[in-house]
Order: sequence, then C-alpha cells, then structure tokens
Amino acid sequence: SAVISQKPSRDICQRGTSLTIQCQVDSQVTMMFWYRQQPGQSLTLIATANQGSEATYESGFVIDKFPISRPNLTFSTLTVSNMSPEDSSIYLCSVEDPVKGSNEKLFFGSGTQLSVL
Amino acid sequence: ILNVEQSPQSLHVQEGDSTNFTCSFPSSNFYALHWYRWETAKSPEALFVMTLNGDEKKKGRISATLNTKEGYSYLYIKGSQPEDSATYLCAFTSGTYKYIFGTGTRLKVLA
Repeated sequence: SAVISQKPSRDICQRGTSLTIQCQVDSQVTMMFWYRQQPGQSLTLIATANQGSEATYESGFVIDKFPISRPNLTFSTLTVSNMSPEDSSIYLCSVEDPVKGSNEKLFFGSGTQLSVL
Repeated sequence: ILNVEQSPQSLHVQEGDSTNFTCSFPSSNFYALHWYRWETAKSPEALFVMTLNGDEKKKGRISATLNTKEGYSYLYIKGSQPEDSATYLCAFTSGTYKYIFGTGTRLKVLA
C-alpha cells in the first residue's frame, strides 16, 4: 500500500495568483499522477510526473498553466498558475500500488479543494 | 472518445435499505474496472479491482459484479449504514496507467 500526504487541504485564492500543491508518498514510486475534479465532472488526469524527466501532460493541459516538479521518488508538486474561477476544483495526487504483481489499484492523497475568487 | 457513465448521480436511502449503482464502460480494449469510495475530506479508497468477465467480489456488506461483454458493473450495498455515505467512483482502464473515471454516485444514508 501507499500513504500520501497532500497539502494544502483547501485554499481560497484570488484571480491571477498561483498555488502550489504538494504530495509526499511514504514509499518510492516511479510515476505520480495529478488529477482534477471540476464541479459535477469526473476525475480527469492532468499529467503524469516521472522522477528525472519532464511531466507528460494530457490533452487540454499545458506545462505553463500546471508546472509540475518531481525532485525524487517520493515527492511531487503541482502549481496552478495565473488562476481563474474556472480552476476551482478538487486536485488529487495519486500513485499506483508500489507492490508489483498486486491488483495495481490507485492510492490517492486527500485532495486540495481550491476556490478561486 | 472513451466514456464511463455512472447512475444514479445521487441517491438517499434509509438506514438498513439495500441499494445498487451502475457503471457503464467501453466493452472494447478492457483490462480492469476499479471501484473507489470517496468520503468527504478523505482520500478515495479502493474497494475492488475487477478484471474477469463474470467476476463477483465482496467486501463486508458491499459487493460488485462485472460484465465486460456488455460493458457494465454493478455495486451493491446491503443494509446501508450512515457510514456508507460517500461518493462511489468507478474507473476503467485498458491496461495503461490512464484511468477513465465516471462522475460518481453520491450516496447519503439517512439514520
């Protein structure tokens, strides 16, 4: 299993500012995933963060808007840049089960509830 | 475009009632179907990972079935309790690290 500490748990931000979300995992993992859930929508993958290389972004998401760092195998940050009200969402980090050969379920942080005024 | 649909979107049940939800997913390129429970202010928690057509899994009062040929899964809760109140998510994967989630079913169990 994996335990992920995510912070902040919530924040209220002004339009045009940036917020950095952090995730710390209690074990080493190759890939970390960043998801977003906008109100009434499904969890959507923003990007995949690999240690030592640039993150891979999904269609509709760009590095300038959502820069990601992955300095080691247990930590990652996601920044939401130049925020607008449309960025109001729950942001979640996630990893696959680090125990290979298991059912490879996902483990998640507890989420960051972001509200942009 | 791959789509995962869940129904109902939300429901309220009385304590002790049994209930079930549906997850519809693409029937082609199927690898696994996941169910997660997401309580407010907590991390989504895996309930089941289902891979075989006809699979049935059970965890306490919660069980799930899988039909990969027609592309649906049912989640059942027997004798609902207030602590079952949560959003239940399903997620489809074709074998890559990419998971396609439904919008979830929000369950409220009234005491």
